[in-house]
Amino acid sequence: GNSVTQMEGPVTLSEEAFLTINCTYTATGYPSLFWYVQYPGEGLQLLLKATKADDKGSNKGFEATYRKETTSFHLEKGSVQVSDSAVYFCALRDTGNQFYFGTGTSLTVIP
Amino acid sequence: AAGVIQSPRHLIKEKRETATLKCYPIPRHDTVYWYQQGPGQDPQFLISFYEKMQSDKGSIPDRFSAQQFSDYHSELNMSSLELGDSALYFCASSFYGPPGGQFFGPGTRLTVL
Repeated sequence: GNSVTQMEGPVTLSEEAFLTINCTYTATGYPSLFWYVQYPGEGLQLLLKATKADDKGSNKGFEATYRKETTSFHLEKGSVQVSDSAVYFCALRDTGNQFYFGTGTSLTVIP
Repeated sequence: AAGVIQSPRHLIKEKRETATLKCYPIPRHDTVYWYQQGPGQDPQFLISFYEKMQSDKGSIPDRFSAQQFSDYHSELNMSSLELGDSALYFCASSFYGPPGGQFFGPGTRLTVL
């Protein structure tokens, strides 16, 4: 069946460090891929998305490229800030309109 | 821009009581999803509706039921509440069908005492 696997946290980085959160997926067909961010006490917010192979989603300095050959959608940011501390969820939407979420990766950025 | 609205934001109930959570999707979104998120857990899909019909069912307990109304708002009804039902309940909405993502509400925090 369809699924999303993302790297386990927690991840702790110093401010201005480079961030990578790995995400791989299993799906039939051509799913859409998403990254969501959840700040403490808040709901999930759509951070970025990619709908087809080789698409790059980007927002607020975060990027992720839809790699069909490696079934991956890794999240990257060149220079993290304290305000990026949150939980990040990778997700896919399959062709049957179902969503699958990863287990979330907690990021803490220290000054 | 209008977002997903959930009410109430916080709810405290006793064991064996009932609770009703409400969700108002983004205007023109035709699909609503309900998720349960326990402390430190990822969101668990409960149920979804498209055009007022149940479209998918996840790990929703038999004690829970939900529906979507003609104005597309949805209600999650929870009966015989248990301590383990304490969680954050999220509603999300979207247009039906790929490729768009879901937009989540702020959640309702349910505490069962």
